[in-house]
Amino acid sequence: QVQLVESGGGVVQPGRSLRLSCAASGFTFNNYAMHWVRQAPGKGLEWVAIISHDGTDKEYADSVKGRFTISRDNSKNTLFLQISSLRGEDTAVYYCARDREMATHFDYWGQGTLVTVSS
Amino acid sequence: QLVLTQSPSASASLGASVKLTCTLSSGHTNYAIAWHQQQPEKGPRYLMKLNTDGSHSKGDGIPDRFSGSSSGAERYLTISSLQSEDEADYYCQTWGTGIQVFGGGTKLTVL
Repeated sequence: QVQLVESGGGVVQPGRSLRLSCAASGFTFNNYAMHWVRQAPGKGLEWVAIISHDGTDKEYADSVKGRFTISRDNSKNTLFLQISSLRGEDTAVYYCARDREMATHFDYWGQGTLVTVSS
Repeated sequence: QLVLTQSPSASASLGASVKLTCTLSSGHTNYAIAWHQQQPEKGPRYLMKLNTDGSHSKGDGIPDRFSGSSSGAERYLTISSLQSEDEADYYCQTWGTGIQVFGGGTKLTVL
């Protein structure tokens, strides 16, 4: 079965960097585009970024452009999110999600990893 | 601007049916959407993709109690024979060139 398992979250000081990972299994990873979505405490879902199946195309939400970098290693079935210059408003649960078709919607989600930005 | 609007809350009794609404912004009324469910303290779960004509394709293992329909700018999620585990937040989601958009979510309470 499809599994997405995020890791790498934790408590980080403002201004520092962090790299999140998402380990994928149960499907042919390099056939699918992948997304990151975040959810601030008590708030709704916010799309963060998408990467194409082969890693060549990437798109970002305006709120994270220039600070977040999405990448993938298809040889290791792993998705990444590099976050730099962390701010308080980046505090959220970060989910990876599989794209169902042509950068449209998500059909599988991970359980999330919590990032807390605090001094 | 591509925007999805949802009512913040809804409630219905155990065993009854409920219809949740997601409204597409003006100029985007022909867009398809997807519905996702998020139970308390869990990651979201994909329910279905819902097209303009009301046709929909569900995710793996989604019960027949969940169905979708469309009318103009409105996209609906109907849950019949409500069960306690249906108490959750429900998000609609759509997409454009280089962007993904979520509605604010509807918190469903099963009485």
